This record gives sequence, structure tokens and C-alpha cells, in this order.
Amino acid sequence: GAGVSQSPRYKVAKRGQDVALRCDPISGHVSLFWYQQALGQGPEFLTYFQNEAQLDKSGLPSDRFFAERPEGSVSTLKIQRTQQEDSAVYLCASSPTRDGKTYEQYFGPGTRLTVT
Amino acid sequence: GESVGLHLPTLSVQEGDNSIINCAYSNSASDYFIWYKQESGKGPQFIIDIRSNMDKRQGQRVTVLLNKTVKHLSLQIAATQPGDSAVYFCAERGGRGGGTASKLTFGTGTRLQVTL
Repeated sequence: GAGVSQSPRYKVAKRGQDVALRCDPISGHVSLFWYQQALGQGPEFLTYFQNEAQLDKSGLPSDRFFAERPEGSVSTLKIQRTQQEDSAVYLCASSPTRDGKTYEQYFGPGTRLTVT
Repeated sequence: GESVGLHLPTLSVQEGDNSIINCAYSNSASDYFIWYKQESGKGPQFIIDIRSNMDKRQGQRVTVLLNKTVKHLSLQIAATQPGDSAVYFCAERGGRGGGTASKLTFGTGTRLQVTL
């Protein structure tokens, strides 16, 4: 079966440009997460959706970061006016929900963003 | 959170030996834990999980041990193979920093190198 897919896999942006990163979760997964992974570190939480509702955006580093999931399936993470410190791998994960809780999260391959 | 930059702790084992990777987690209230394997250029791959009402769980060639008293997790890999070479992360559901209880908080990764 298809796993989580992300596109593009690699993105190079000039400082100040806007970028949009796409995530296609596993079909039927209610929960969707975005994480940011800096080189040599573990993923850090950015934001969480349950269906189309963004229940937590406490991990977004600034108001230049925006995420949406309008139909409760595909999600887009947008970064406006990119800065060099935004360079990282952006990971999307989806998770089934049982008993109102999320359990195992399945990750996509990530989008490596390089801001020059 | 803790970060080790580019210098992850490294565990080097010979092919066929058993590996033990350790992890300290942050929140005594966390009730669910996952081990992930991450190969270069890929997203984290689910290995095994454990709920806090258990202290041991076994999978195929892997065992996770949970010690809630000292907030410690370990991953044991039996008969380690070259394909096991990767970075391994433990993750707790919830964890530090507030926000949604559904997010994963990742520990410091460990690089496993399997020598022939």
C-alpha cells in the first residue's frame, strides 16, 4: 500500500522567496503532523491536524510559517520570505486514530529545503 | 531540547552481535513510546512501540524495554545485520514543551554502525 508521500523532495529557494511543501498522507488517516528536522538532530514538532482542523500550531517557529489541510487529506506547509535558518528537512507524518488517540505515526521521505 | 549537532552518539557492533540502544525520555506522564530507524535521506521508519502499562515488548529481532522509574527506554536488536546501520530515535507521545498530547517528542538519536 502507498505510504506518506511528499513533494518536492528537494527545494532550493533564494532568501526571501515563498515556498510550498506538499504532503499526501496515508488514505484514511485522520491525524497529520508536520515536523522540522535540522541536520544531525531529531525531528521537532511544528503543527498537527485532525481532519481539516488545525488543533495545534505551537511548534511553528514564526508567523512566516503556515499550514493547511482544507479537505482533511492533502496538507500544504507554506513558508513565506524564507530565511537561511529555515533550511532543514520538513517531514510529514500521518497516523490512524483509535479511541480518540493517535498512536504510531508514519513518516514520509521529507522535503529538504535549502535557502541560499 | 537536547541536541547533539552533527556528532551523534555512535554504537559500533559486529555483524551477528546483539545491539542495545538506550534513550532517556523527558516526561513522566508520557504513556506511549516509539522507536524509529532513519536511514540517510529517508524519513523515520517505525520499528516498534510500547505503551506505558508494559515494560517489555518484542517484535521480529527487536525488543523494547521500558523503565518508568528512571524514564529510560532501550531497543535491543538481535543478530545485528548490515542493513540495520542507521540512526535510531526514541520518541514519546507528548513530552516536553506543551502543545498537543498527540505530538511526538524525539530523543537524541544514536548512530548504529554494523561492521563486517
